[in-house]
Amino acid sequence: DAGVTQSPTHLIKTRGQHVTLRCSPISGHKSVSWYQQVLGQGPQFIFQYYEKEERGRGNFPDRFSARQFPNYSSELNVNALLLGDSALYLCASSLGPGKNTEAFFGQGTRLTVV
Amino acid sequence: KQEVTQIPAALSVPEGENLVLNCSFTDSAIYNLQWFRQDPGKGLTSLLLIQSSQREQTSGRLNASLDKSSGRSTLYIAASQPGDSATYLCAVPQDAGNMLTFGGGTRLMVKP
Repeated sequence: DAGVTQSPTHLIKTRGQHVTLRCSPISGHKSVSWYQQVLGQGPQFIFQYYEKEERGRGNFPDRFSARQFPNYSSELNVNALLLGDSALYLCASSLGPGKNTEAFFGQGTRLTVV
Repeated sequence: KQEVTQIPAALSVPEGENLVLNCSFTDSAIYNLQWFRQDPGKGLTSLLLIQSSQREQTSGRLNASLDKSSGRSTLYIAASQPGDSATYLCAVPQDAGNMLTFGGGTRLMVKP
């Protein structure tokens, strides 16, 4: 059974450009969350989607947006890239919002902004 | 606002040692706590999920304990091996939404 898959694995973009990152959750999972991990730090929560609705948003600027599709896959979009957006972007899937559901992560997308 | 702290930030031990990694959180009203492993440049691998009603959870050489009242969890690794070298992260969900708050991680190196 496939785990959480993210694409692309690596990406290099120039300041000011736009980027789209993609995530496919584990089959049967309806919730997808996005995290940003800067080198040497723990992941920071960006968004959570469940049943195509935004359920939570972290402390990130409006340049960050996301959406979830009917098949529960998700895209994270970042506009007007800054050097500080360089990070590992992680996607997590779970059954759905609930008190005791386990989160499973993909391998991440390494974004480098030059 | 929940804050999660992991101490030490880095740890180096010889192979075979038993070791304890620490995780503390400021708001004791948690639903669960999850421990993850992360290899350099890779994603997170879930190791253990310990429910708020549980005191311990075990998987192989790993044992996680949870003390909600004191805001602490420990991950015990028995008979450490070089293959255990990685960063270990703990995380707790923000209310029931599963939006996780992570600690900064403990970078473990096990020397042969």
